[in-house]
Amino acid sequence: EMLLVESGGAVVQPGGSLRISCAASGFTFDDYTMHWVRQSPGKGLEWVSLITWDGGSTSYADSMKGRFTISRDNSKNSLYLQMNSLRIEDTALYYCAKDNVGYGMDVWGQGTTVTVSS
Amino acid sequence: EVVLTQSPGTLSLSPGERATLSCRASQSVDTHLAWYQHKPGQAPRLLIYGASSRATAIPDRFSGSGSGTDFTLTISRLEPVDFAVYYCQHYATTWTFGQGTKVEIK
Repeated sequence: EMLLVESGGAVVQPGGSLRISCAASGFTFDDYTMHWVRQSPGKGLEWVSLITWDGGSTSYADSMKGRFTISRDNSKNSLYLQMNSLRIEDTALYYCAKDNVGYGMDVWGQGTTVTVSS
Repeated sequence: EVVLTQSPGTLSLSPGERATLSCRASQSVDTHLAWYQHKPGQAPRLLIYGASSRATAIPDRFSGSGSGTDFTLTISRLEPVDFAVYYCQHYATTWTFGQGTKVEIK
């Protein structure tokens, strides 16, 4: 069974930093592009970032550029999101998701909650 | 950046009825469009990719159509488990979601 398990969510003060993680199992992790997607309270899904199978290419939503950094460690089957200069509006449930070979996202984790509050 | 607009915002229907959800893109996306189902407390679920291809294990009551700027997700006969929020998504070098359509029990 293909599984993604996020961890590392926490309460952080505005301006702070946090790294969240996603552990993958049940598939060949280094064959796939991976994504982060978030959902703020009461809002819809928002794509955050992607990283290609080898980490060679990354892409970010405009509101995260320069503040968030996606990375992966294929030897550990793990995906990461480093979030700096956090804002109250970054409060959300953060999901990691596996790319469906360029056709959407076919495996999702249950999410980890990041709360930015003073 | 492509903007996806979904309509209606909420659809109130009874089990057994047909649901028709719309997604309109601000510019042509060819068939680079997916649909997801999302229930509270659960992970989103991929239903349709390539505008009309059903994902693995998705029942055939779900179908997608369209190309260019206008897309439709149809649920032929609603079952109780189908009441949820549905999102369209464009995928390319960056990815965007529509704002969602909530399908609720009438």
